[in-house]
Formats: sequence, C-alpha cells, structure tokens
Amino acid sequence: DTEVTQTPKHLVMGMTNKKSLKCEQHMGHRAMYWYKQKAKKPPELMFVYSYEKLSINESVPSRFSPECPNSSLLNLHLHALQPEDSALYLCASSQDQLAGRELFFGEGSRLTVL
Amino acid sequence: SQQGEEDPQALSIQEGENATMNCSYKTSINNLQWYRQNSGRGLVHLILIRSNEREKHSGRLRVTLDTSKKSSSLLITASRAADTASYFCATDGKAAGNKLTFGGGTRVLVKP
Repeated sequence: DTEVTQTPKHLVMGMTNKKSLKCEQHMGHRAMYWYKQKAKKPPELMFVYSYEKLSINESVPSRFSPECPNSSLLNLHLHALQPEDSALYLCASSQDQLAGRELFFGEGSRLTVL
Repeated sequence: SQQGEEDPQALSIQEGENATMNCSYKTSINNLQWYRQNSGRGLVHLILIRSNEREKHSGRLRVTLDTSKKSSSLLITASRAADTASYFCATDGKAAGNKLTFGGGTRVLVKP
C-alpha cells in the first residue's frame, strides 16, 4: 500500500467554524507533512512531524493546529480561518525526515473559507 | 520561501515532441527532486538526483544537474497527452535545514 489518504476531499466552512482535515498512511513512514498550495503556486510547507513529534512549524498562524495521534494519522484542526486560507491542503509522508527522501502525497483537501 | 525558479512557466507542445524545463536554485543542495502534479491532484515523485550526480534517466525522463550553475533540467521525450501536468523541482540542503523546498513549477500542455 503506497497511498496517502486525505479526507475530506472538499470542505467549505465559515470563518467561525471549527473543522478538521485528516490524513492516513500505512507505509510505516515516520515523517508526515502538511503543505498548503494556492492556485498556480508551488506547495508551501506548514508542519512536519517526525516520529509523532512536531519537528517543524513554518510560523503558521495558530488558527491551524496540527495533531499526530499515532504514526499513521495526521490531523489539521482549523478554527477561525480567513478567506485567504482557502487553498488545497496536501498531506505527505516519507520514510523519515532525512534529506533525499521521496515524499508520497495525498490527493489533497480543497478548502474554501467563506 | 521558494528556493527554485523554473523556466518556462508554461509550455505547450504537440504529442510526440520532447519537453524540456529548467530549474535554477540559489544555495547549495544535497539533492534535487522532480515531481508531477495533475490539475487539482496530489504530487507524484518522478526522480531524484544527488548533488554528486550529473545525469539520471527513468523511462522517458532525463534529468541533468549542474551544481556549478545551480541548475537542473528535466527532459520528457516523446511526450503524450497524459504528460499534461505541472512539474516542480524541489531541493534540500543545509541552508534550508534540509527541508524540501519547491520551485515555482512549469505547466506543460501536450496537445494530441
């Protein structure tokens, strides 16, 4: 199984809502990532978890809250988002966080904030 | 922050032609990877080239790396309509804390 599964595929939320994006992999990978991608732009790194511990936070606003309940799951909790947070949110995993590892991406969750 | 700049930003070719795109980066790297992204989908890893390598092949893909010029190229030979996608280079190196940083991407349209 070489898949990274993301749910939901699409999400529409108001600025006062609380929602969560979920990501799951069963490849035994120990590094998991959240990226944000705006239209016609490259993915931008948000968070990295390594061995279930937050390793990198790219100065992401606190309205985005990551969580890694176990080695297979990664969540991104969303609260009080702004319309400019509308984007494709991509989850990825890799064997570990060492340089030169191939990233396996999910299909993304397309978020629209009204 | 964006480490790589890709050129061209967009490319339109006929099926059967070759497609070449370039990636330039600013600081020294350990590795350079190329990824493909179909519209609105996730990214798929294509190929990795290490800083001590100059050329790699994978099927119809050929990647070169020139560390003296801080640039890489991706050549897709005998393109197919299914190659229509955005292509991103991504680099990792000490300056970025070994984080993988993506370039701006090249949008390739292969016309049947």
